Amino acid sequence: SQTIHQWPATLVQPVGSPLSLECTVEGTSNPNLYWYRQAAGRGLQLLFYSVGIGQISSEVPQNLSASRPQDRQFILSSKKLLLSDSGFYLCAWTGTAFNSPLHFGNGTRLTVT
Amino acid sequence: SQQGEEDPQALSIQEGENATMNCSYKTSINNLQWYRQNSGRGLVHLILIRSNEREKHSGRLRVTLDTSKKSSSLLITASRAADTASYFCATGQIQGAQKLVFGQGTRLTINP
Repeated sequence: SQTIHQWPATLVQPVGSPLSLECTVEGTSNPNLYWYRQAAGRGLQLLFYSVGIGQISSEVPQNLSASRPQDRQFILSSKKLLLSDSGFYLCAWTGTAFNSPLHFGNGTRLTVT
Repeated sequence: SQQGEEDPQALSIQEGENATMNCSYKTSINNLQWYRQNSGRGLVHLILIRSNEREKHSGRLRVTLDTSKKSSSLLITASRAADTASYFCATGQIQGAQKLVFGQGTRLTINP
């Protein structure tokens, strides 16, 4: 069966520090991968998605970047965090079949202080 | 930009009652999906309805889709305390990868 791992679960980082969040998927090949951010009590904002290794599409211009160095690995990064980067970050994957549902990780709660 | 808008934003009912949540969207879609999120956790897929379908059932869940009105509803029958969660609709558009655009969600509280 397929599983998605996302870590860390919580993170407190000072303003100006770098960020690296990692997500890996097991049990499937060539998944579509996604990074979403959720502000407190709000909906999800799509940040990045990827259909293959090295292929990254950015949805919202911002202080973050994403990379996909391996088929089932998706990394969210920042060189210098801003206070506004605080939020709940969710990684997700879908299969390539039409109308495949999203499968989410348990998220990382990032607090920038 | 947000595509789906859920209504109401919050709903509180007694255990055993039915809960109905609505979702409206703006553009043409390929499918509409409903997800559930327990506090502090990731989202869990509940049900997907394709644009050519009008109604779908899964256990105590019933979803309807009206593409002419660009709206959908999620009905949870015989609610339980464990149904307490936030519920999100998401619309699917195909642009190289399936991109789901989520609404703001409905926070459902089931009182015992």
